[in-house]
Amino acid sequence: GENVEQHPSTLSVQEGDSAVIKCTYSDSASNYFPWYKQELGKGPQLIIDIRSNVGEKKDQRIAVTLNKTAKHFSLHITETQPEDSAVYFCAASWESGNTPLVFGKGTRLSVIA
Amino acid sequence: NAGVMQNPRHLVRRRGQEARLRCSPMKGHSHVYWYRQLPEEGLKFMVYLQKENIIDESGMPKERFSAEFPKEGPSILRIQQVVRGDSAAYFCASSPLGGWDTEAFFGQGTRLTVV
Repeated sequence: GENVEQHPSTLSVQEGDSAVIKCTYSDSASNYFPWYKQELGKGPQLIIDIRSNVGEKKDQRIAVTLNKTAKHFSLHITETQPEDSAVYFCAASWESGNTPLVFGKGTRLSVIA
Repeated sequence: NAGVMQNPRHLVRRRGQEARLRCSPMKGHSHVYWYRQLPEEGLKFMVYLQKENIIDESGMPKERFSAEFPKEGPSILRIQQVVRGDSAAYFCASSPLGGWDTEAFFGQGTRLTVV
């Protein structure tokens, strides 16, 4: 089955700097890659997603890149702010194979003011 | 439009008791997914339900765990004869469309503690 590895597990950056979180997946058939942000005591919230027919997607300060050949995808947050501090999860799924979302173990991002 | 509602937010059960976790999906959503999250871990898929049907229960333990999503009312995740290892946060998500590549909206979770 699908296996998603996420790195790093913790990340500290200065306010205004960029943060990059990387994930690799094992199943080359996976075609949907969402990213979730989870704040303390809350449920995960979808922040951006990408499908296998595109290589990059951007939404304001957040961008995601996908390298299908290498089977990895990354989340980029620019101009980080203290409110970006949270746990971020990547996930992968294969719609045609009817497989559920498989999540990485998460990255705890701390933005230091 | 209220989001996905889960209750209770916190649940304490003694070993051997039953735990019932409720999830009311967003209005208009007929697809519900349950996930379990252990401390410092990602979310693990448990079960996917559509109204009155279980679509995929491949992630749910065969014993003690069951789930339903009746025609009327919330989805229920039931854990019978709870053990300490069941302590975790249980999240429910809903979506208006089925499948695995549609945006799913998560509730705030139920934190189950077994003592």
